[in-house]
Amino acid sequence: DAKTTQPPSMDCAEGRAANLPCNHSTISGNEYVYWYRQIHSQGPQYIIHGLKNNETNEMASLIITEDRKSSTLILPHATLRDTAVYYCIVRVVGSNYKLTFGKGTLLTVNP
Amino acid sequence: EPEVTQTPSHQVTQMGQEVILRCVPISNHLYFYWYRQILGQKVEFLVSFYNNEISEKSEIFDDQFSVERPDGSNFTLKIRSTKLEDSAMYFCASSEAPGQGLEKLFFGSGTQLSVL
Repeated sequence: DAKTTQPPSMDCAEGRAANLPCNHSTISGNEYVYWYRQIHSQGPQYIIHGLKNNETNEMASLIITEDRKSSTLILPHATLRDTAVYYCIVRVVGSNYKLTFGKGTLLTVNP
Repeated sequence: EPEVTQTPSHQVTQMGQEVILRCVPISNHLYFYWYRQILGQKVEFLVSFYNNEISEKSEIFDDQFSVERPDGSNFTLKIRSTKLEDSAMYFCASSEAPGQGLEKLFFGSGTQLSVL
């Protein structure tokens, strides 16, 4: 699976959009971008995933650049409960769903 | 929303003792996993399980570890002779079959294992 690079930490004001970047310059054509988050040592929680098109669900939006070498997770209206470590993971979709977690980005949403 | 349930939430054991961590995956899921997270470190993959056999395991998952799905609903992780370095939060996860379009893992809230 391709390596990802994320900033170690970010801050965001409550109610504002949180934009979390991820670099995955070695991504290959059959690798998807996944985002998970972990709130204070709870189990990781799936947020969203995509291949090349932008994706949106009830939690977030995922913007993937045209060359697929980077992506941005957008939480449109961050709340205090969104304070968590956010993980960007790149992996091939197949019969094995093993995830390799990095250090992620600690997003702190401030009141 | 359906969830993965793990018991106990905390387990304290003496070094050298056997422990069994229990998980009830989401009922229609077919893939099961164990991950662990040592305090302050990354979440690490241990093992994946499908169709009553291990499909992949990491270097961490040595002969001291085993997994089992004894009754079609529970999924267990056994550590035969615990070491101090086994102290960690252990997460169980499950997912649907490939090709279902929902390729996401659902994680439980974890069992904090403390080996003394």
